Amino acid sequence: SQTIHQWPATLVQPVGSPLSLECTVEGTSNPNLYWYRQAAGRGLQLLFYSVGIGQISSEVPQNLSASRPQDRQFILSSKKLLLSDSGFYLCAWRGTGKSSPLHFGNGTRLTVT
Amino acid sequence: GENVEQHPSTLSVQEGDSAVIKCTYSDSASNYFPWYKQELGKRPQLIIDIRSNVGEKKDQRIAVTLNKTAKHFSLHITETQPEDSAVYFCAAILLQYTNAGKSTFGDGTTLTVKP
Repeated sequence: SQTIHQWPATLVQPVGSPLSLECTVEGTSNPNLYWYRQAAGRGLQLLFYSVGIGQISSEVPQNLSASRPQDRQFILSSKKLLLSDSGFYLCAWRGTGKSSPLHFGNGTRLTVT
Repeated sequence: GENVEQHPSTLSVQEGDSAVIKCTYSDSASNYFPWYKQELGKRPQLIIDIRSNVGEKKDQRIAVTLNKTAKHFSLHITETQPEDSAVYFCAAILLQYTNAGKSTFGDGTTLTVKP
């Protein structure tokens, strides 16, 4: 069966420091991959999605970036964190095809101090 | 792009009562409508979904209805229990073989079931 791993679970970083969050999927090939952010008590905001290696689409202009160096690996990065980057970051995957639901990782709670 | 509105933002019911959460969407091409449950500090988990060629779907105490003409869909939870307390999100998606199937989510409904 398919599983999604996301780490770290929690992270506290000072303003201006870099960020790297990693997500990997097992048990499937060529998944669509997504990064979402959830501010406290708010909904899910799509940040980036990828339909294949090296293919990244950005939904919201910001100081974050994403990369997909391997088929089942999705990385969220920042060179310099802002206070407003604090939130709950969720990686998700979906199989290709019309009948595939979205599955979320356990999330990373990022606090920028 | 797609826009999804979800109501109410908070809902409090007595244990055993029913709960209904409603969502409207803007893009008539959307063809897939999942509902997610998110417990505090945890990831959203799919609880039920419906496709545009179906009007209603049930899974034990949970049901979802879809009105394509009016572009709205609803989650119905019957015989609510305290463990149903969580934030519920709806989403509307255009799923095709050739697209990424980006999900547009509602802002969520915080459901509290009082014992």
